[in-house]
Amino acid sequence: GAVVSQHPSRVICKSGTSVKIECRSLDFQATTMFWYRQFPKQSLMLMATSNEGSKATYEQGVEKDKFLINHASLTLSTLTVTSAHPEDSSFYICSTNRGGNEQFFGPGTRLTVL
Amino acid sequence: GQQVMQIPQYQHVQEGEDFTTYCNSSTTLSNIQWYKQRPGGHPVFLIQLVKSGEVKKQKRLTFQFGEAKKNSSLHITATQTTDVGTYFCAGGAGNMLTFGGGTRLMVKP
Repeated sequence: GAVVSQHPSRVICKSGTSVKIECRSLDFQATTMFWYRQFPKQSLMLMATSNEGSKATYEQGVEKDKFLINHASLTLSTLTVTSAHPEDSSFYICSTNRGGNEQFFGPGTRLTVL
Repeated sequence: GQQVMQIPQYQHVQEGEDFTTYCNSSTTLSNIQWYKQRPGGHPVFLIQLVKSGEVKKQKRLTFQFGEAKKNSSLHITATQTTDVGTYFCAGGAGNMLTFGGGTRLMVKP
């Protein structure tokens, strides 16, 4: 069964609004979660590593003030896209590794900013 | 930083033909992982290779890790329409996992 859930699966919003995406680990405690972005027909680009109880680690070129990450519990990490613009439209996917190397991905959230 | 290149970007095959995708890393890897992403779906783990020269098989899929642990390949024998999707390699080094660009496989029935 699913290991990681994500909500919402799709969201359409107006430019300038903020969107929150939730990522939950369903059957284990995830101290670390990863947030990726995938543009159409492209690869997964790691945005940030979310650490429970501490600040997220952002990849180079990713604005931490625009993509707010909160990992307040061992089963929930959230990504908030603040003041979204059309260029932020993408497929956002979270994952965790359950302590090993294999990544378990959530089903993804397709964000469309009008 | 670490870069992982994957070729080809796209591959159209006739059902029953074989398919191979290749992955090359700019640095030595501790492991290589392969994922499959169906259209509209999310990546799903297929396998991990750790040892130099390692070869693993899953039914019609054969995975190889190079002797220098810098390259890998995935070969599918006698493709089926259910093989359609994008295959990503991901190179692991330390705590980092870097995804290749993916190879999109299309299979004509």
